[in-house]
Amino acid sequence: GQQVMQIPQYQHVQEGEDFTTYCNSSTTLSNIQWYKQRPGGHPVFLIQLVKSGEVKKQKRLTFQFGEAKKNSSLHITATQTTDVGTYFCAGHTSGTYKYIFGTGTRLKVLA
Amino acid sequence: GAVVSQHPSRVICKSGTSVKIECRSLDFQATTMFWYRQFPKQSLMLMATSNEGSKATYEQGVEKDKFLINHASLTLSTLTVTSAHPEDSSFYICSARGTVSNQPQHFGDGTRLSIL
Repeated sequence: GQQVMQIPQYQHVQEGEDFTTYCNSSTTLSNIQWYKQRPGGHPVFLIQLVKSGEVKKQKRLTFQFGEAKKNSSLHITATQTTDVGTYFCAGHTSGTYKYIFGTGTRLKVLA
Repeated sequence: GAVVSQHPSRVICKSGTSVKIECRSLDFQATTMFWYRQFPKQSLMLMATSNEGSKATYEQGVEKDKFLINHASLTLSTLTVTSAHPEDSSFYICSARGTVSNQPQHFGDGTRLSIL
């Protein structure tokens, strides 16, 4: 079945450093969503990418969808302690009703 | 933004008890609701998808008779864990989505279920 993997699994950075998580799907996606889950909380929607090669920015966050629509990345510039949490990508395949969540990347930011 | 309420937030009960978890969309009509299970420090595992007025679609390996799902209205879905055992202890999260399949999912706060 479809698999969505994320690397790295964990990342510890010093506050102010950049951070990137990569999402790879075993199948071509129609679109991809990104979520953030704070410790003890529930996932919160961040953004959706639909077009091949699409790049979207939200303040310090940059999201990219690969040309082949099988991979995506989330880059955070100059991390802050508020960025702590687990970042999940969720891929959607045409013809299906559901999103498959990636394995997640847990980010810790050291002050 | 869209609000999804999940209740209860925490349940501790004895083995053999059945537990019902409610998921409500408070300010939009949720055509589709999803039920996930999340183990500590792991990803969300989709258990089943429920569409209002029809039977739920279960993912492979999820026991239909164990995890009963009802989606009787456009704002409410319930998950009942029947005859719960310690191995059913987990964090259960629901999400709700509107009528368009590629809309974002809005998640409830989750239910932490502990079976003694």
